[in-house]
Formats: sequence, structure tokens, C-alpha cells
Amino acid sequence: SHVLTQTPSVSVAPGQTARITCGGSNIGSKSVHWYQQRPGQAPVLVVYDDTDRPSGIPERFSGSNSENTATLTISRVEAGDEADYYCQMWDSTNHRVVFGGGTKLTVL
Amino acid sequence: EVQLVESGGGLVQPGGSLRLSCAASGFTFSSYWMSWVRQAPGKGLEWVASIKKDGNEKYYVDSVRGRFTISRENAKNSLYLQMNSLSTEDSAVYYCAKNERYCTSTTCYDYGLDVWGQGTTVTVSS
Repeated sequence: SHVLTQTPSVSVAPGQTARITCGGSNIGSKSVHWYQQRPGQAPVLVVYDDTDRPSGIPERFSGSNSENTATLTISRVEAGDEADYYCQMWDSTNHRVVFGGGTKLTVL
Repeated sequence: EVQLVESGGGLVQPGGSLRLSCAASGFTFSSYWMSWVRQAPGKGLEWVASIKKDGNEKYYVDSVRGRFTISRENAKNSLYLQMNSLSTEDSAVYYCAKNERYCTSTTCYDYGLDVWGQGTTVTVSS
């Protein structure tokens, strides 16, 4: 079964670039999605199918996926980007949705 | 406006039952897979169950299989989660989510959970 591993926390200064990774065996062959969850709010889809952005999501958010690691990159980080970020995929073998454990992004 | 509104949460004793509802609006409900996702206090997101657009396929996380039942009523634009034999470990905020997922006869294409409700809180305690 698939397990998605995320670093628990990432810190970055405003204006810098944050990279949040999601590790999994051969994850590059899967479609990975990313969610942002601000405190007390519901999750929001920020990247889907590895690299695509839903309408309304800033271009500062981008994704990549290769071999055993998917990455969410947030450029020119702002204070409002401080949130928990989760990666997710569909495990077609076991017919289930899999979430990573989440990464807390702190803007210094 | 595309919207999902959950209801039915509350305080229930261990061993009890609860039925959650999710009212959908602003999109053609019957055309989409739907899912329930929960989040225990201070914890990450945990997928609970998903249901195909016609209700003919249902999938569950192992920890709830046999206790929870996901269902839908397309004529009422509504999604449900019947929860039985509840334990303290089921205490969480429960979200319903619209699933961008399309299947052919041989392959499914998944594009994530693109719309979420605001969540309803379930507390299992004596």
C-alpha cells in the first residue's frame, strides 16, 4: 500500500521560496494533489495532477513530481501562505485516497 | 456558487450512532464522485470514504469499514455518512468533498478534491 511522507515543518522568510516535499515509492507514476489548510479553515486545493493550478490559485504555487518525490513550490512567500500543506493521491490498487502527514509552513 | 454544507455532527456516547449529511449546490451533483474526509483535533487529514457518482461503488478506510456507510441521494443533491459503533477515536471534524474523478471501462483519472465543505464536528465521549 502507498504511504506518503512529508517533512513535518518548513520555515522560510517572506519573499523567499518554500519547497515542500512528499515522498513515496514510485510516486512519479501517480497523480499527486496538494492542499493548503489555514488554521480553523477547510482545506483548499492548490495544485492538482502534479502541476496544474485550480482557478484562483496564484502562479506562485507550482508543483512537480518525479520518481519518488513530489514537490510543492511556493515562490515569493507571503505571510498569508502560513498554513498546513498536504499531498494526496489515489491508490488505485487498494481503492483508497491517501494523504501525507502534512507540513506546517512557517513564515518567519 | 459551488457549495457543500455539512450537518448532523454533535456529541454522542461511545457505541452510539450518528448520521452526517452534506448538501450540495452550484454544480451537477450526480456527475461527480464524492468523499468524506476527517480531521481529529491537532491531527492531519484522514480519508474516510468515497462513493461513485451513481452510488454503485463505495470505498472505505479500513478503520471504519463495517461501521460506517457512505450513501448519496442524487435527486436531493445530498451525500450521507451513517456512522455506527462510534468510538472516541472517531472524534473529528468531518468534511465532505467533491471529487474530480473520471473513469472509463479500464482506467480512472483523479484530479483531487476540488470543493470542500466547512466541516461538522463529531465528538464521541461519555
